[in-house]
Amino acid sequence: EIVMTQSPATLSVSPGERATLSCRASQTASSNLAWYQQKPGQAPRLLIYGASTRAAGIPARFSGSGSGTEFTLTLSSPQSEDFAVYYCQQYNNWPLTFGGGTKVEIK
Amino acid sequence: EVQLVESGGGLVQPGGSLRLSCAASGFTFSSYGMSWVRQAPGKGLEWVSGISGGVGNTHYADSVKGRFTISRDNSRNTLFLQMNSLGAEDTAVYYCARHTGVYYVDDWGRGTLVTVSS
Repeated sequence: EIVMTQSPATLSVSPGERATLSCRASQTASSNLAWYQQKPGQAPRLLIYGASTRAAGIPARFSGSGSGTEFTLTLSSPQSEDFAVYYCQQYNNWPLTFGGGTKVEIK
Repeated sequence: EVQLVESGGGLVQPGGSLRLSCAASGFTFSSYGMSWVRQAPGKGLEWVSGISGGVGNTHYADSVKGRFTISRDNSRNTLFLQMNSLGAEDTAVYYCARHTGVYYVDDWGRGTLVTVSS
């Protein structure tokens, strides 16, 4: 099983301040990595797949990078609606696995 | 528009069983892989089980293997999760999830809450 580790657990940023979220895989996930955003009381929403491809309708301020075991989600200029919990997920191997999440909160 | 609507959640006693359903619409259900993903209260996401489109190959998380069974009825556009021998650790919101050709989730249902308690 590929274990996904996200850091930090909580990230405090000011609106407009760049935010960088990390996701590490215990073994290679190639580029088979997705990012999701979840707000309280809602289902998750797909942001990024293939490590760096934005899903339909996702603003350009969200970007993903990385391959293998190290991945990054960057929010270039977070808006108020971006404060939420973010999860990474690998789909290179079964079982599918998620990271523990990073909560992005307003500083 | 893709719609995934879960049902079947509720309160069940430890050791009991429950069957979840997910009614799908707005796409060719038989062609898509599907999964169940759960989220315990205040916790993160946990993938539970998946089934491929077409031949319907199945996969399970170790935490549910031997207790849960995923299945699909393509004639009714419905995904199922049969859950047996339930324990408190299975308490969670269960989401129905659609996969593309590869297994990230591009659409989610709103979830159904399963509570295991005496």
